[in-house]
Amino acid sequence: DAGVTQSPTHLIKTRGQQVTLRCSPKSGHDTVSWYQQALGQGPQFIFQYYEEEERQRGNFPDRFSGHQFPNYSSELNVNALLLGDSALYLCASLPFGGVGNEQFFGPGTRLTVL
Amino acid sequence: GESVGLHLPTLSVQEGDNSIINCAYSNSASDYFIWYKQESGKGPQFIIDIRSNMDKRQGQRVTVLLNKTVKHLSLQIAATQPGDSAVYFCAESYPNFGNEKLTFGTGTRLTIIP
Repeated sequence: DAGVTQSPTHLIKTRGQQVTLRCSPKSGHDTVSWYQQALGQGPQFIFQYYEEEERQRGNFPDRFSGHQFPNYSSELNVNALLLGDSALYLCASLPFGGVGNEQFFGPGTRLTVL
Repeated sequence: GESVGLHLPTLSVQEGDNSIINCAYSNSASDYFIWYKQESGKGPQFIIDIRSNMDKRQGQRVTVLLNKTVKHLSLQIAATQPGDSAVYFCAESYPNFGNEKLTFGTGTRLTIIP
């Protein structure tokens, strides 16, 4: 049983470009959350998707958007990239309403904006 | 908004000794807390959680203590092993959110000295 997978592993973009990151949840999970982790910092909640809709959102601008597909996989899109968007982007999956050890994180996508 | 913080950014412990990682939180409304372990190149991994109606919870070699009076959380790791070397994060959640909108602290890097 595969855990949470993310692609790509690493990505380099330039300012102003757009990027799409992908996440496949753990089998049996229907909810996906995205986090941004800057170097040396803890993860910050971006948003959560369930039933193909954004359910909760953190303090991130509209440049950050997402999507969830019928198979529960998810994408994170960031438009008009800024240098400050350089970070590790983590995807976490869980069953809806799950808590604690029911949430699993993927290894992340390292985004570098030049 | 309020955030979770940590007292010490780094901690070195002799192998076999016990370690204590501390965390201060400022939102008195938080009712759910989780400790995560993050190894290099990996996403955070659940260690243990505790609800605000408890002051202590034990797992395998780990104990979490919660002091709501002073808004303090600690993670005790007994008989540390080289594999315990990692960055440890505490995270808090507000009522009704569970895992949905976790607020993470900055993290403490634990190094186990052989």
